Amino acid sequence: EPEVTQTPSHQVTQMGQEVILRCVPISNHLYFYWYRQILGQKVEFLVSFYNNEISEKSEIFDDQFSVERPDGSNFTLKIRSTKLEDSAMYFCASSKQTGGYQPQHFGDGTRLSIL
Amino acid sequence: GESVGLHLPTLSVQEGDNSIINCAYSNSASDYFIWYKQESGKGPQFIIDIRSNMDKRQGQRVTVLLNKTVKHLSLQIAATQPGDSAVYFCAEKIGGYQKVTFGTGTKLQVIP
Repeated sequence: EPEVTQTPSHQVTQMGQEVILRCVPISNHLYFYWYRQILGQKVEFLVSFYNNEISEKSEIFDDQFSVERPDGSNFTLKIRSTKLEDSAMYFCASSKQTGGYQPQHFGDGTRLSIL
Repeated sequence: GESVGLHLPTLSVQEGDNSIINCAYSNSASDYFIWYKQESGKGPQFIIDIRSNMDKRQGQRVTVLLNKTVKHLSLQIAATQPGDSAVYFCAEKIGGYQKVTFGTGTKLQVIP
């Protein structure tokens, strides 16, 4: 069964540094998403991406965050200047979009630790 | 997994029994409700969804019930197995939007 894959599984970064989290969505999916989960808390929506542009974003997704689809298979989340509170699990998800709703399928996440 | 925390409600069920996990929602504009399972160290795994104009949907060993009058959603797992041990999240999607809003989660412990 096709899967969403994320790399790295664990990223440790100094505060203030830039970090890029990578995702390979399921190949025939057209909508891509990033969510995060701070330890012990709910999964929170960050951003959705369709047709090479952001379609929705949350209040969390401020100017420090950006997303990109640099080629036909990868989808990345960049945090420009990391803060301690950015420490969390970051999940990538993708869905088909043939009209209406399609289930989102999640990767196993990247654990981001900011020191 | 990352979703397991000290404050998660926990449901303990004997192996072979049925499990019922409950969820309350607040947004009347939600058009789909979704159940996800999250095992330790993994991402949320889609289980089943239900459109807001339905009140019941069945899958393999799982049934989702939707009561719009009281804004309540439940996930029933038949003949619970040790592999069902995980955190279960209900989630909702509001009409016109793609994002999914997750609830706080319930930890299911299956006792062998």
